[in-house]
Amino acid sequence: DAGVTQSPTHLIKTRGQHVTLRCSPISGHKSVSWYQQVLGQGPQFIFQYYEKEERGRGNFPDRFSARQFPNYSSELNVNALLLGDSALYLCASSFGHLGNTIYFGEGSWLTVV
Amino acid sequence: AQKITQTQPGMFVQEKEAVTLDCTYDTSDQSYGLFWYKQPSSGEMIFLIYQGSYDEQNATEGRYSLNFQKARKSANLVISASQLGDSAMYFCAMRANAGGTSYGKLTFGQGTILTVHP
Repeated sequence: DAGVTQSPTHLIKTRGQHVTLRCSPISGHKSVSWYQQVLGQGPQFIFQYYEKEERGRGNFPDRFSARQFPNYSSELNVNALLLGDSALYLCASSFGHLGNTIYFGEGSWLTVV
Repeated sequence: AQKITQTQPGMFVQEKEAVTLDCTYDTSDQSYGLFWYKQPSSGEMIFLIYQGSYDEQNATEGRYSLNFQKARKSANLVISASQLGDSAMYFCAMRANAGGTSYGKLTFGQGTILTVHP
């Protein structure tokens, strides 16, 4: 079975641009969460979606938004990119809202120049 | 609010030996879960092991075991018989399981870099 898949794996954007990152959870998993990991730090929670509803939001500005589709895949959108948005963006999936096994994808490496 | 502390920025171990990676946590939640992840240089976070706050037995998954001491608020990861492929960054994380601001989200520590020597 396929694991959590994320796309694109690497991308370079210019300050002020918009970016969309995509995530497909493990088949059967209904919860998707997004995390930002800046170099040298642990991941920081951005959003959680379960059954297509937002269940949690981290301390990130409104430039960050996300949604979950009927097939449980998800998109993370970031507007008006700043240099500080350069990071690894990780998507995690679990079966339920409080799954005991949370699996991550390989991440999307975003560089803002 | 929850906080995870990993006090060992880096650890070294000889191949085939056991190693313990420390993790302490702070929370006011009664029901919570503790997770350990391995992150190789490629970036992927690999799930290793889970311990629930009400689980009486320490969790084990193959060569990984979690030394859970609830009163001391510690959740150390023990890797037995280290292999060269175990060299990576290791993160401890926790999640509130019953309401509160940390409900449903993982809070991570700063990580420990483990290097396994041949």
